[in-house]
Amino acid sequence: GQQLNQSPQSMFIQEGEDVSMNCTSSSIFNTWLWYKQDPGEGPVLLIALYKAGELTSNGRLTAQFGITRKDSFLNISASIPSDVGIYFCAGRGSGGSNYKLTFGKGTLLTVNP
Amino acid sequence: NAGVMQNPRHLVRRRGQEARLRCSPMKGHSHVYWYRQLPEEGLKFMVYLQKENIIDESGMPKERFSAEFPKEGPSILRIQQVVRGDSAAYFCASSPSDGGELFFGEGSRLTVL
Repeated sequence: GQQLNQSPQSMFIQEGEDVSMNCTSSSIFNTWLWYKQDPGEGPVLLIALYKAGELTSNGRLTAQFGITRKDSFLNISASIPSDVGIYFCAGRGSGGSNYKLTFGKGTLLTVNP
Repeated sequence: NAGVMQNPRHLVRRRGQEARLRCSPMKGHSHVYWYRQLPEEGLKFMVYLQKENIIDESGMPKERFSAEFPKEGPSILRIQQVVRGDSAAYFCASSPSDGGELFFGEGSRLTVL
């Protein structure tokens, strides 16, 4: 099956710092999605990427869909305490199972005020 | 805010009992997905349903697990004769179309004693 490697597993940063996390896949995806999950809550969609090379921003968040279609990164600029949470990448393939998301294991972000 | 509604949020069962988890999709969404999340893991696809149809149940264990999405009422994920390994967070998501963006509920956390 498809595998997603997400790194780093966890990050501890100071408020105001920028942070970057990425995902790589063993196979090609047609869509990359980035979600944030707060403790005890469900994942909330942050950014969706649909084309190879696409660079999309959502406020202080920027994500890119890699040219090879096997990777994506998420940057958060000028972090604030409420950025704390687990960030997941998810990929969606093509063909008959284009509804199925494959998730990375997540990056736990801690922001020290 | 008519988001994806899941209940119960927390469920405790003893080994051998049955667990029933319910999911009402967002208004206008007819596609429902169930994902399972183990501690410190990403979400894993279980099953994809449309009204009265199971489209893909390839991620669901063959025994003890079943899912339905009746014409009227919520989608139900049913786990019979629960075992400790079934302890996890179960998330439901819905989308307006096949391959559309998924919106997740807040999850149902099952603990098996």
